[in-house]
Amino acid sequence: GEQVEQRPPHLSVREGDSAVIICTYTDPNSYYFFWYKQEPGAGLQLLMKVFSSTEINEGQGFTVLLNKKDKQLSLNLTAAHPGDSAVYFCAVKTQVVGQLTFGRGTRLQVYA
Amino acid sequence: DPKIIQKPKYLVAVTGSEKILICEQYLGHNAMYWYRQSAKKPLEFMFSYSYQKLMDNQTASSRFQPQSSKKNHLDLQITALKPDDSATYFCASSQDHNKKNTLYFGAGTRLSVL
Repeated sequence: GEQVEQRPPHLSVREGDSAVIICTYTDPNSYYFFWYKQEPGAGLQLLMKVFSSTEINEGQGFTVLLNKKDKQLSLNLTAAHPGDSAVYFCAVKTQVVGQLTFGRGTRLQVYA
Repeated sequence: DPKIIQKPKYLVAVTGSEKILICEQYLGHNAMYWYRQSAKKPLEFMFSYSYQKLMDNQTASSRFQPQSSKKNHLDLQITALKPDDSATYFCASSQDHNKKNTLYFGAGTRLSVL
């Protein structure tokens, strides 16, 4: 089945710097990809969903890139601020309806 | 206000006991799910329900039994608890049970089995 590797597991950046999180998946038939943010004590908040037909998606303060050739999905937070401190998860939709395969998460800390 | 409510937030149980984890969603969704996040593994899919019917079960153990009394409820009963069951259990929902829908998650119930 689908496997998702996410790196790095921990990331510490200074306020204003960028932060990049990368996920690599195995199933070439995967077609929906998600980034979730989990703040302490909270559920997973959807940041962005990416469909395989789209390569670049921009949100507020971040960009998601999908490289289908390398089966890689990345989240780039530009000009990180302390409010971005959280655990970030990538997730890939498998062929089983409703089933997401998650990466292990990246704990991001943004310090002033 | 959270639209997916999970109760309790924290739960401590003794080995061999039984617990029920509560999940209610107020998004008007027709499909609900359970996921588990343990210290050793990434978030794992457990069950999916659509209109209160089981659609998929990826959990090997019959000790885990979802219960849906209403369309917007999907509780999780766990019997004969073991220390390995210690994890955070997340409930999720989506508009419908199809490949395109986005899953929205609750805040989780952290279960510790002693």
